Amino acid sequence: EVQLVESGGGLAKPGESLRLSCAASGFNFRADYMHWVRQAPGKGPVWVARISNDAYNKDYADFVRGRFTISRDNAQSTLFLQMDSLTVEDTGFYFCVRDVKSRFPTWGLGTLVTVTS
Amino acid sequence: DIQMTQSPSTLSASIGDRVSITCRASQSIGGFLAWYHQRPGKAPKLLMYEASKLESGVPSRFSGSASGTEFTLTINGLQPDDFGTYYCQQYNYYYTFGQGTKLEI
Repeated sequence: EVQLVESGGGLAKPGESLRLSCAASGFNFRADYMHWVRQAPGKGPVWVARISNDAYNKDYADFVRGRFTISRDNAQSTLFLQMDSLTVEDTGFYFCVRDVKSRFPTWGLGTLVTVTS
Repeated sequence: DIQMTQSPSTLSASIGDRVSITCRASQSIGGFLAWYHQRPGKAPKLLMYEASKLESGVPSRFSGSASGTEFTLTINGLQPDDFGTYYCQQYNYYYTFGQGTKLEI
């Protein structure tokens, strides 16, 4: 069974950092691009970042570029998102998403990040 | 940036009804459009891709169509499991989601 399980969310103050992890199983992780997508409570999903299967290419949404870093460990089938200089607008559920030919067929359950002073 | 505008924002319907949701892109996206269904507390689920292709395992009562920059998701014969929020997403240039259509049954 294809599965993605996020962890690392929690409470942070503005300016602080959090590191999210996503454990993948049930598919050839090292073959697929991976993404992070976030969703604020009551709002639609918003794409955050993408990483190529070999980790060579990384792309970011404008609102996180320079603050967030996406990475992966193919040996451990794990995706990461390092989030620095957090703001209250970064609050929401963060989903780890598998890319299959540019569409998103597999999502994790999400991990909640709450940024508040 | 490519903007995606969905309509309506909310839709009320009954079991067995046929309903349609529209998504308009701010520029050409070459048919690279997906539709997702999300239930409260769950992750979005992929229904359609490339505007009209049904994802594996999705019931055939769902269908999609395209005309230029306007895309339509149609559900024939609504079932109780179909309530929730529907999102369109363009993946022609990076990724943008619509603001959502809440389907109430």
